[in-house]
Amino acid sequence: QVQLQESGPGLVRPSETLSLTCNVSGYSINDGYYWAWIRQPPGMGLEWIGSVYQSRGTQYNPSLKSRVTMSVDTSKNQFSMSLYSVTAADSAVYYCARTFYYYYHMDVWGKGTTVSVSS
Amino acid sequence: EIVLTQSPGTLSLSPGDRATLSCWASQTVRSGYLAWYQQKPGQAPRLLIYGASKRATDIPDRFSGSGSGTDFTLTISRLQPEDFAVYYCQQYGSSPGTFGQGTRLEIK
Repeated sequence: QVQLQESGPGLVRPSETLSLTCNVSGYSINDGYYWAWIRQPPGMGLEWIGSVYQSRGTQYNPSLKSRVTMSVDTSKNQFSMSLYSVTAADSAVYYCARTFYYYYHMDVWGKGTTVSVSS
Repeated sequence: EIVLTQSPGTLSLSPGDRATLSCWASQTVRSGYLAWYQQKPGQAPRLLIYGASKRATDIPDRFSGSGSGTDFTLTISRLQPEDFAVYYCQQYGSSPGTFGQGTRLEIK
């Protein structure tokens, strides 16, 4: 059974970098699929942030492309994202998920981690 | 990017009723690449439907999807107590994949 678990700081200061990691268990990242990050501000809808494929490629939402990077650590079976120069508008629940192509539907999700941006 | 508009914003029904949720796209969604998710409070979204009409793994057959082009529908044939939640549509026909704003299905 594939399981995903997000980890990272719950509080980030404005202008700093938000870094999150998603640990994948029950499936090897190298065996296929794409791996995505999605966020949901409090009381609001969902936004696809971007996705990574093994160590070969990334695709980001144009709205965040200038501030985000994603990577894969196959030795730890994890993937990560960093969001730079955060503001209060970046406060959200951040989910990692498995997808079939960069921006396609997601069939397995982590439980989500809440990140607040505040001084 | 494609903007998805869901209707209604809130739907109040009783267990056993039939629910019809709509999702309209600002442009044609290529190849019917439209998914539906269910989200309960404090939980991650759960994939229900992909490819407009294909049920995801372990999804009960009371959930069905239909539509093409710019108009899509999620139907829940006989509402169970566990079906009351927020439902989102997502298009993945073109990048970036985008989500609708959600329909809240509440108990009447």
